[in-house]
Amino acid sequence: KAGVTQTPRYLIKTRGQQVTLSCSPISGHRSVSWYQQTPGQGLQFLFEYFSETQRNKGNFPGRFSGRQFSNSRSEMNVSTLELGDSALYLCASSFIAGSTYNEQFFGPGTRLTVL
Amino acid sequence: QKEVEQNSGPLSVPEGAIASLNCTYSDRVSQSFFWYRQYSGKSPELIMSIYSNGDKEDGRFTAQLNKASQYVSLLIRDSQPSDSATYLCAVNGKAAGNKLTFGGGTRVLVKP
Repeated sequence: KAGVTQTPRYLIKTRGQQVTLSCSPISGHRSVSWYQQTPGQGLQFLFEYFSETQRNKGNFPGRFSGRQFSNSRSEMNVSTLELGDSALYLCASSFIAGSTYNEQFFGPGTRLTVL
Repeated sequence: QKEVEQNSGPLSVPEGAIASLNCTYSDRVSQSFFWYRQYSGKSPELIMSIYSNGDKEDGRFTAQLNKASQYVSLLIRDSQPSDSATYLCAVNGKAAGNKLTFGGGTRVLVKP
């Protein structure tokens, strides 16, 4: 069974630009969550999507947005990039979204560098 | 106070010894608890999940949960150099859906 895939793996952008990251969950998984990892703040939850709807949201500004498609694939978008958005962006998928007992499996991540 | 706290380490253990990692959390209604291993430059890999008080064993790993003390731990028996990594404790307190809160991680160094 293929794992979570994320594209692109590396991205370099400049301040003010926008970026779109893509995530394909494990086959059969319907919940996709996004996390940001930085050396200073660690791993922080961005948002979760299930059945094309945002179910949970973290404490990030509105520049960070996402969506999920009917095939469970998800994209996240960051507009008006700032230097502090440089981070590893991780996508995680899980099978059952209706309970807290969901194991989440991470993709390889997208390394975003903002210059 | 951070929501999920871990000692940052490094925790240095000799090969073959037991590594003991601790994690405390502040949200008393937290429901599920996870340990992830992250090698440098890689993404987190799920190694253990635990949902009820007590011990859960999987191979060389044992997770222990004490909800009254708001404490979860991970024991790594017969530590190997390949266990050298950062171990992340994660807590899901949501009544529905996923929203993991992570600790800062404990770096473990296993010396041959």
